[in-house]
Amino acid sequence: GAGVSQSPSNKVTEKGKDVELRCDPISGHTALYWYRQSLGQGLEFLIYFQGNSAPDKSGLPSDRFSAERTGGSVSTLTIQRTQQEDSAVYLCAGGKNRAWGEQYFGPGTRLTVT
Amino acid sequence: GNSVTQMEGPVTLSEEAFLTINCTYTATGYPSLFWYVQYPGEGLQLLLKATKADDKGSNKGFEATYRKETTSFHLEKGSVQVSDSAVYFCALSHNSGGSNYKLTFGKGTLLTVNP
Repeated sequence: GAGVSQSPSNKVTEKGKDVELRCDPISGHTALYWYRQSLGQGLEFLIYFQGNSAPDKSGLPSDRFSAERTGGSVSTLTIQRTQQEDSAVYLCAGGKNRAWGEQYFGPGTRLTVT
Repeated sequence: GNSVTQMEGPVTLSEEAFLTINCTYTATGYPSLFWYVQYPGEGLQLLLKATKADDKGSNKGFEATYRKETTSFHLEKGSVQVSDSAVYFCALSHNSGGSNYKLTFGKGTLLTVNP
């Protein structure tokens, strides 16, 4: 497709379970970002990938959060032992290298932890 | 660190009214500034941008001017339409070394335009 895709669109999980969220960016976009959108905190940066370089993980809120990007394309965000405060919309965005913040967002995954 | 403060709203206007949503920022150096928009049920989209002082970004009748002296990037539109109803986010991107141009967002402003 032409845009950024994310799956699942909605995920309901029980507290303590692990979840995986997937992002498929636009072909050719070497930069990939994960953000979290929650009522209390607004939009927050989580992690950044650029090509084959080591990711910038400075925004991850705890060591329960991790992400990987395979082959410079698809990315997976994993949350282990989910907590209720992890409930949020997780957004993926891609961009061209050095695109000065011009990013293309996916529709997001709404995560609800019960 | 970097931060963005914008009018929280919600803002409710009648069609054809004038719109201003205020945005100010704090950052070292020279960030790039953006307005992103989130229409109901859709993902975030870039509305307009400005990459240096005194630049004016414009798109779909919306405008914003990068004012370094007041550290502001206010969004304006002369005549809003019902279809402009959305949440508007002011954001900045600043690279402090390396290639990470992560966005720092304001809290968002919900705009509702009534016919």
